[in-house]
Formats: sequence, C-alpha cells, structure tokens
Amino acid sequence: KNQVEQSPQSLIILEGKNCTLQCNYTVSPFSNLRWYKQDTGRGPVSLTIMTFSENTKSNGRYTATLDADTKQSSLHITASQLSDSASYICVVRLSGGYQKVTFGTGTKLQVIP
Amino acid sequence: EPEVTQTPSHQVTQMGQEVILRCVPISNHLYFYWYRQILGQKVEFLVSFYNNEISEKSEIFDDQFSVERPDGSNFTLKIRSTKLEDSAMYFCASSSTGTDYNEQFFGPGTRLTVL
Repeated sequence: KNQVEQSPQSLIILEGKNCTLQCNYTVSPFSNLRWYKQDTGRGPVSLTIMTFSENTKSNGRYTATLDADTKQSSLHITASQLSDSASYICVVRLSGGYQKVTFGTGTKLQVIP
Repeated sequence: EPEVTQTPSHQVTQMGQEVILRCVPISNHLYFYWYRQILGQKVEFLVSFYNNEISEKSEIFDDQFSVERPDGSNFTLKIRSTKLEDSAMYFCASSSTGTDYNEQFFGPGTRLTVL
C-alpha cells in the first residue's frame, strides 16, 4: 500500500534555531516528492520538488534532500523564524501520469521567541 | 499573483442535505482537483478533472459526490446527502498541466460542518 510517514509529529523550536523534518515513503513507482507548507486554515503551498535523480535542493532557508534508495526525504529549515510556524507536509507522486498524490501525515512546527 | 479561490469559507449543514462547494481555479489552468482533510488527519485526494470529465478518483469519491465545471471559471463539488463523517476541510486545487511534475495550487479551503 502506498504510504507516506513523517516524523516528528510535532516540534517546538526556538526562533533562530535549525530543524530537520523527516519523510519516509513506500509509494511505487515513484515520480517525485514535494514538501508543502500549510499555515493553519490555509491550503498547502509548495516549497520544493525532488525528482528521482536529485539528492538535494534549496529554496531560501529550506533545504530538501532525497535518498531514493532508502525512500527517505528530509526538509531542513535554517535560522527559523516565527513565520515558519506551520504544518510541513511531504507529498509523493506516482509516475505514469497519475494525478493522484499521497500526502504524508505532516509535522506541526511551532517556532517560539 | 493569481490564486485559487473557494466559497464559502465555512458551510454548516444538516445531515442528509445537499451541499455545493465552489472553487474558481487559476484562469489558464486545465486540471482541477478536490481534496479533503478531516480535522487532525492528513489531506486525502478525492478527484481530478480534465477536459470536462473525471480523470481519476479515489475510493472516497463514491456516488454521493459529483463534480462539475458549469461555466468557464467555476469548479464545483456536490455532496448529495451529507453524512456526519463528511465534516472536513475541502480543498480545491488546479494545475496548468497534467504531467508528473505539475505543481498543484491549492485554495484556502471550505470548512464543511455536518450536524
């Protein structure tokens, strides 16, 4: 069964600190993986997309990694800001032109002053 | 910057009633989607729509659900006879292409409460 699991479920960090969020997936055949940020009461917004051949990709203070062999991805947030408080969701796409995507369980991040 | 909009932001209905959730996708997008998120749970795919027909649907999307693009701008999700378990946040999304790498842009959601 195609599944996407994330850890930790929730995280509290001090403003200015770094953190790393994890995503493990069993989706196959794999096409790509996106990390989304979802503010409370809002729709998810894409941060970055990782394809099979990419190991790391940065978007400002966000850096995503992908290990397609172990089927793991991480999202590293550098120098956290209060506005980073949100849920971060890992979303995996099947290859073959399927529109359906599989969402992870999400990590709820809270950045405190 | 163009964005997906949804109305209403919150809908309260009685069990057994029909509801229609409305979405206006980004204007030049061709692929449309509905997702739902039950409180405290992950987002789940419901259906994708292209060229005026359903291209994929999940097992959640049963006969109680239907989608329509009644005109050139709106995309609607109808639930014929709501159940308590239909209470959730419903997100509409759109994308310009249907490739594996297309980015889906999400609306702010409609919170549906079934009493």
